[in-house]
Amino acid sequence: GAVVSQHPSRVICKSGTSVKIECRSLDFQATTMFWYRQFPKQSLMLMATSNEGSKATYEQGVEKDKFLINHASLTLSTLTVTSAHPEDSSFYICSARPTPGQGKSEAFFGQGTRLTVV
Amino acid sequence: AQSVTQPDIHITVSEGASLELRCNYSYGATPYLFWYVQSPGQGLQLLLKYFSGDTLVQGIKGFEAEFKRSQSSFNLRKPSVHWSDAAEYFCAVGTTDSWGKLQFGAGTQVVVTP
Repeated sequence: GAVVSQHPSRVICKSGTSVKIECRSLDFQATTMFWYRQFPKQSLMLMATSNEGSKATYEQGVEKDKFLINHASLTLSTLTVTSAHPEDSSFYICSARPTPGQGKSEAFFGQGTRLTVV
Repeated sequence: AQSVTQPDIHITVSEGASLELRCNYSYGATPYLFWYVQSPGQGLQLLLKYFSGDTLVQGIKGFEAEFKRSQSSFNLRKPSVHWSDAAEYFCAVGTTDSWGKLQFGAGTQVVVTP
């Protein structure tokens, strides 16, 4: 199988603080990972594409200085929500796209992180 | 740009009855199409996917979907619904030039009644 581990699964933080969310591909390498956000009772919206060794590509309307993405290795991407506010409370989900040559033809999702900013 | 439409926000179905969830897409070339299921507070589980070939795709949990290019549709079906099928279902489309990057439909909430 192909497993993507996302950590933490739940986090509560105070307004104004920063929170880091990790997305790891456990049994495959992923040059590219994707970060999505899902507000309650809504669909998933792509926030950004994370590329190993280069800058992330952000979707229109997503603040790159607020949502810092680092893809430091072929198995790990992190999303840091900086100076979090209550409106950032959401469900964040990552997916990892296997590097070609590993016999996998789809991206695999983590289990998501429920962020609550109080 | 591609888009995905799930016309039904909410569907109620009796246990044992058949289920069909609609999905329409807009994309210039042959898309990659997916159906995911999400239980409350949980992540996504892939039910099935279509890349090419046979237009009738079999998935897990007894689900199947049919790709109809002429109708730009990829509807999900299950012949007999179980109570455990109550969940949110998302149709998603990916592209050949950026595979893995998905655009999701709005989702369909399925409620199963006894």
